[in-house]
Amino acid sequence: EDQVTQSPEALRLQEGESSSLNCSYTVSGLRGLFWYRQDPGKGPEFLFTLYSAGEEKEKERLKATLTKKESFLHITAPKPEDSATYLCALSPSGTSYGKLTFGQGTILTVHP
Amino acid sequence: EAGVTQFPSHSVIEKGQTVTLRCDPISGHDNLYWYRRVMGKEIKFLLHFVKESKQDESGMPNNRFLAERTGGTYSTLKVQPAELEDSGVYFCASTRTSVVDEQFFGPGTRLTVL
Repeated sequence: EDQVTQSPEALRLQEGESSSLNCSYTVSGLRGLFWYRQDPGKGPEFLFTLYSAGEEKEKERLKATLTKKESFLHITAPKPEDSATYLCALSPSGTSYGKLTFGQGTILTVHP
Repeated sequence: EAGVTQFPSHSVIEKGQTVTLRCDPISGHDNLYWYRRVMGKEIKFLLHFVKESKQDESGMPNNRFLAERTGGTYSTLKVQPAELEDSGVYFCASTRTSVVDEQFFGPGTRLTVL
């Protein structure tokens, strides 16, 4: 069965304190791995898609990387506005292309 | 370009009642998805429409849930009769293309069944 596990469940950082969020997965095949950001009371907001091991993508203070077993979301010099829940989701091969499997998310709090 | 919209934002109903949730996807997006997040759990897929056709409804929990997408535009998700375990946040998402691509999510409808 396809599984997605995110760690830690919650992370508290000081402004400027860089860190990484982890998304570990077990799937028979991977079409794509997605990172989303979700603010309270809102829907998930797309950040990145990664398709193959070794791929990296960057956007402002965020950088996503992918291996065959896990993905990391690196946050460099975070600011309070980066506080949100970060969700990892997979599109496993062998399922319909639109069916995403989500992890439980990491709640990130950045203190000024 | 307007984003995905959902109505209502909140709904509180009694067990046994009926509730209908509505989703308006981004204009021109043929693919529409429904997801649900119950308290303490991850977001889970419910079903996928391509235009007015159900592409995948493998995530629908049981036959109390009925999704429709008349004319390939907006979609409704009806729960009848509602049970306590149906409480949660229901998200709708849409994409234009039929490939593995980012899904644009709506703000969700929070359903509380008392």
